[in-house]
Amino acid sequence: SQKIEQNSEALNIQEGKTATLTCNYTNYSPAYLQWYRQDPGRGPVFLLLIRENEKEKRKERLKVTFDTTLKQSLFHITASQPADSATYLCALYSGNTPLVFGKGTRLSVIA
Amino acid sequence: GAGVSQTPSNKVTEKGKYVELRCDPISGHTALYWYRQSLGQGPEFLIYFQGTGAADDSGLPNDRFFAVRPEGSVSTLKIQRTERGDSAVYLCASSRAPGQAARPEAFFGQGTRLTVV
Repeated sequence: SQKIEQNSEALNIQEGKTATLTCNYTNYSPAYLQWYRQDPGRGPVFLLLIRENEKEKRKERLKVTFDTTLKQSLFHITASQPADSATYLCALYSGNTPLVFGKGTRLSVIA
Repeated sequence: GAGVSQTPSNKVTEKGKYVELRCDPISGHTALYWYRQSLGQGPEFLIYFQGTGAADDSGLPNDRFFAVRPEGSVSTLKIQRTERGDSAVYLCASSRAPGQAARPEAFFGQGTRLTVV
């Protein structure tokens, strides 16, 4: 069956450190993968998109990698700040399936 | 409008009643999604429209759930004979054509919190 797994439900890190979140998938051939941020009581907000033929994307303090052999994406936040505390969701799109989401990882950055 | 708008923001209904949830997408976005989110979970896919037609409704949990998008813009999610288990936040998102656009990211509304008592 098709699955998207974000391995940690919750991740606590110290301010200034790099947060690394993982997204693994099974039985998908994604055309692209996206990462979203969700704050309590609000809808998800798009952060980054990485396509199947790309290995890495960066945007300011964010970096996403995509390994289609391992069927995994890693999402990094460098120099983390308490304001980065939120739930981060990965989402896949393939030609055969609509945009589907993982359960999310709740990140807490401790000052 | 500037973003995706969902109304109402909160809805409390009695078990067995019928409810309609409305989504006003970003102008020009051909794709529209409905998701359901329970506490501590990711958005669960319900239905996806490309234009006026439902391109994929495989996520609708049963035939009490139905959605329309008659003019390819506003969409309504309809739930008949509501049950307590239907209580959740219902999220709507819109995007440019996901398989074609250079920037296909989804823009979400704030959601409708449905409580069935």
